[in-house]
Amino acid sequence: NAGVTQTPKFRVLKTGQSMTLLCAQDMNHEYMYWYRQDPGMGLRLIHYSVGEGTTAKGEVPDGYNVSRLKKQNFLLGLESAAPSQTSVYFCASSHRGVAPGNEQFFGPGTRLTVL
Amino acid sequence: AQSVSQHNHHVILSEAASLELGCNYSYGGTVNLFWYVQYPGQHLQLLLKYFSGDPLVKGIKGFEAEFIKSKFSFNLRKPSVQWSDTAEYFCAAESSFQKLVFGTGTRLLVSP
Repeated sequence: NAGVTQTPKFRVLKTGQSMTLLCAQDMNHEYMYWYRQDPGMGLRLIHYSVGEGTTAKGEVPDGYNVSRLKKQNFLLGLESAAPSQTSVYFCASSHRGVAPGNEQFFGPGTRLTVL
Repeated sequence: AQSVSQHNHHVILSEAASLELGCNYSYGGTVNLFWYVQYPGQHLQLLLKYFSGDPLVKGIKGFEAEFIKSKFSFNLRKPSVQWSDTAEYFCAAESSFQKLVFGTGTRLLVSP
């Protein structure tokens, strides 16, 4: 199993450009998440999904959109990139358990620079 | 707002030294707690987790953590670190069902 994969690994954008980050998981997990990691701030939740066709806002959703058309894929879109969106983006997935405490499995990350 | 605090941002140790990384959370009710590790160039991996039972939790690679409810703490410990433990360590709390709030992380450098 590949686990959680992300494409691309690196990307440089100019301010105002758009792009989509793709996350895929092969563990049949119901829940998927997008985080951003910034120095000194840890990981912050952008958006998440509890199932195919559903999405919800996390802690820092502004400037991002997401879609979960297929259970195994979770897309993160930047419609008009800004320098403040320079970050490392991590996707994660988890199984929907009957109780809290399920482990989230993380992808390798996408390093995005917006000039 | 619910939060997780890690007060040690950078820690430098020699091999065989003992490690303790602090983690405090601000939740009033039932909380599930995690420690994740990110080795250089790799993705986050789960070290250990606590959600009920024995407050002393043992994880992979010789790590353990103790949940002290009265202190709102979940400190990570290892009796003797190795060079391969060089990594960034994140404490996290489950704020609502399967949504994590992370601390800012602690970078550990172990010198051989």
